[in-house]
Amino acid sequence: DAGVIQSPRHEVTEMGQEVTLRCKPISGHDYLFWYRQTMMRGLELLIYFNNNVPIDDSGMPEDRFSAKMPNASFSTLKIQPSEPRDSAVYFCASSLVGQGRSYTFGSGTRLTVV
Amino acid sequence: AQTVTQSQPEMSVQEAETVTLSCTYDTSESDYYLFWYKQPPSRQMILVIRQEAYKQQNATENRFSVNFQKAAKSFSLKISDSQLGDAAMYFCAYKRGNAGNMLTFGGGTRLMVKP
Repeated sequence: DAGVIQSPRHEVTEMGQEVTLRCKPISGHDYLFWYRQTMMRGLELLIYFNNNVPIDDSGMPEDRFSAKMPNASFSTLKIQPSEPRDSAVYFCASSLVGQGRSYTFGSGTRLTVV
Repeated sequence: AQTVTQSQPEMSVQEAETVTLSCTYDTSESDYYLFWYKQPPSRQMILVIRQEAYKQQNATENRFSVNFQKAAKSFSLKISDSQLGDAAMYFCAYKRGNAGNMLTFGGGTRLMVKP
């Protein structure tokens, strides 16, 4: 199993540009989560999906952020337009339904908006 | 809302010695799970250990063990025989036992291991 795969690993973009982060969850996992990690706010949940359906997007900071999961093996997090305060590490994680199942995290995407 | 607090921003331990990282949480739920994750400089989040709230026995994974005090809502991590490779950020995390399945993280503790 290759684990949760995120791309790109690093992204540097200019303010105002569109940014798309990608995630491939572990095959068979039915939950997918997007987290953001910053020094100021720590790890915070942005959105999560169950069986490709968004369940809770209350953590998405603004309308500039959107996430999709068109199928069980792929999800995207898009920021349009990007701003310097969006600079952070973005993690994708997946898990299998069942009490206590722990998450498997991807390696994260470090986003820098200049 | 559930909260997780790690009161030690940084800890230091001598190689081969034992260190304990603290974590407290607040919840009104009776069914939940607690986790410790390790984040080395590579930034990969690695599960270290997990504890089911309904289990009285403390979880153990090799050199890592927890002291789970349910009434006190305390969940500390003990690392025995510390190794240089244990140097990392450690995050305590909470998850409700139902299908909500979200992890709530503490602010993290940076562990330094001195040779």
